[in-house]
Amino acid sequence: QLVLTQSPSASASLGASVKLTCTLSSTHTSYTIAWHQQQPEKGPRYMMNVNSDGSHTKGDGIPDRFSGSSSGAERYLTISSLQSEDEADYYCQTWGTGTWVFGGGTKLTVL
Amino acid sequence: EVQLVQSGAEVKKPGESLKISCKGSGYSFTSYWIGWVRQMPGKGLEWMGITYPGDSDTRYSPSFQGQVTISADKSISTAYLQWGSLKASDTAMYYCARLGRSVAGTWGQGTLVTVSS
Repeated sequence: QLVLTQSPSASASLGASVKLTCTLSSTHTSYTIAWHQQQPEKGPRYMMNVNSDGSHTKGDGIPDRFSGSSSGAERYLTISSLQSEDEADYYCQTWGTGTWVFGGGTKLTVL
Repeated sequence: EVQLVQSGAEVKKPGESLKISCKGSGYSFTSYWIGWVRQMPGKGLEWMGITYPGDSDTRYSPSFQGQVTISADKSISTAYLQWGSLKASDTAMYYCARLGRSVAGTWGQGTLVTVSS
């Protein structure tokens, strides 16, 4: 079964960097995933697709502070030079055969 | 610019029917799957189903199969999500989205559905 696992919460200080992780189920380690950001009281915003080789395709207007990478079954979203507006929920998402799958989301707190 | 524009908020009573819409622009509407995603208050994103406007192929999450109907009218570049008989538990924000492995994703702005007697 295709499953995405995310830690429920993460925190980092203003100006620091943080790396969020999304883990694919063991038989789906080659899958591409997408990252989506949801700021408080707003709709989701597409950030980027991240492929198994670590290449990523960002959405329009996504700052260079956001980058994606991969290692095995893990897909990462790294945010550098954290700003207060980066405090949000971050969801990873992937595609099965005729399905979409979302991770449970990670709530990022900027200290 | 690729855009998905959803219909406005709805307030309905239990047992009523409802159809909400999602109009695509700025791309070939018939060439990409469009999906619907539910977000209940304070909860995460749940995939409901997808439709391919080019041939009307539609797939549902097992959690939503039989509970909603997803469709599209390619002549007006619009996808739909409909309920035959709403329940209070259908109260949520509903988003449409175009998400693909090799294309930048786009989300609609969301439609709030409130079901209350």
